[in-house]
Amino acid sequence: AQSVTQLDSQVPVFEEAPVELRCNYSSSVSVYLFWYVQYPNQGLQLLLKYLSGSTLVKGINGFEAEFNKSQTSFHLRKPSVHISDTAEYFCAVSVWGGGSQGNLIFGKGTKLSVKP
Amino acid sequence: SQTIHQWPATLVQPVGSPLSLECTVEGTSNPNLYWYRQAAGRGLQLLFYSVGIGQISSEVPQNLSASRPQDRQFILSSKKLLLSDSGFYLCAWATGPPNTEAFFGQGTRLTVV
Repeated sequence: AQSVTQLDSQVPVFEEAPVELRCNYSSSVSVYLFWYVQYPNQGLQLLLKYLSGSTLVKGINGFEAEFNKSQTSFHLRKPSVHISDTAEYFCAVSVWGGGSQGNLIFGKGTKLSVKP
Repeated sequence: SQTIHQWPATLVQPVGSPLSLECTVEGTSNPNLYWYRQAAGRGLQLLFYSVGIGQISSEVPQNLSASRPQDRQFILSSKKLLLSDSGFYLCAWATGPPNTEAFFGQGTRLTVV
């Protein structure tokens, strides 16, 4: 069975500091990994995705993530955060096959709070 | 380009009343469609998905049902709402592998009182 674990429920950080949001997954089939951001009372916006190829993927708003197969991790990073990055971030794995058709399995989310 | 519309944005309903949330997709054909629920402290949970008209798969037993009367229309319903149905409901559609990605609507905040 597939699962996603986000190790930190809340991450406070000062503006212009670096940040890493951690995500570990388990999957018995092909892995498609995603990071989404959610602002209050809004839908989910895709930050970046790993489908295949280079393990370092770059996304919008200066975010990047590294796929590590041996550690089954897909941590999200940003070298310098802004106040506007304050939001909730979700890591997810997409499952195709075995009775699933693109079903997304989400972690419980990490609330990033950027302080001035 | 593809867009996804979901309405209403906010809904307050009494216990025991019916529910109908609608989602439509534009700019693509035969999409996979999904309903997710986000409840406080419980993350995002897949409720239903559909790979075609009239084809509905339920992921969790519950008080809700889904229907897909047209290719790009997905409806979430209930005959009698429970307090526990409160939450943030998100509709999504997805492209298949190898370039798979899911696109989300803006969500409906449902409060059952």
